[in-house]
Amino acid sequence: GDSVTQMEGPVTLSEEAFLTINCTYTATGYPSLFWYVQYPGEGLQLLLKATKADDKGSNKGFEATYRKETTSFHLEKGSVQVSDSAVYFCALSFNNAGNMLTFGGGTRLMVKP
Amino acid sequence: EADIYQTPRYLVIGTGKKITLECSQTMGHDKMYWYQQDPGMELHLIHYSYGVNSTEKGDLSSESTVSRIRTEHFPLTLESARPSHTSQYLCASSGYASSGGYSTDTQYFGPGTRLTVL
Repeated sequence: GDSVTQMEGPVTLSEEAFLTINCTYTATGYPSLFWYVQYPGEGLQLLLKATKADDKGSNKGFEATYRKETTSFHLEKGSVQVSDSAVYFCALSFNNAGNMLTFGGGTRLMVKP
Repeated sequence: EADIYQTPRYLVIGTGKKITLECSQTMGHDKMYWYQQDPGMELHLIHYSYGVNSTEKGDLSSESTVSRIRTEHFPLTLESARPSHTSQYLCASSGYASSGGYSTDTQYFGPGTRLTVL
């Protein structure tokens, strides 16, 4: 079946450091790929998405590129802020499968001033 | 983008009580979902619906039940709460939006209900 693997956390960075959170997937076909962010005590918010190979999703300084050849969708940000401290989830879905999401396990990011 | 609401945000209740967690969305999305999130962050799909009068169980077995009588409303009920039900419950919606005439493959989430059963 489909699966998503993302790096385990917690990831601890100093403010203004470069962030990479790795995400790889296993799926039959070409899913849509997503990054969601969950701030403490809240639900999940869509951070960015990509629907086909070589698409780049971007939002709030975060970027991720859909790499079909490496089945990856790594999340990057050039300069993190304390306010980026949250849990990040990578996920995939197929539109013809009821938009069911397959999630990775989540990566907790802690940014220190 | 969907506006999706969950009430209550926090609930502390005693064992054996019946509870209903409310979820409503304003975009007319045909698909709705309930997730249970454990303290280790992992998300488990417990119920979903493809439209009015359609409900299915998800990947994780749950003692809760759901109903979908109206497109915008997808409540979750526990007939007799137990401490093992203590968790964060997240509702989401996606799919064809009747109010906007478009379809999205993105799930949009509500703020969640944190349930504690004593």
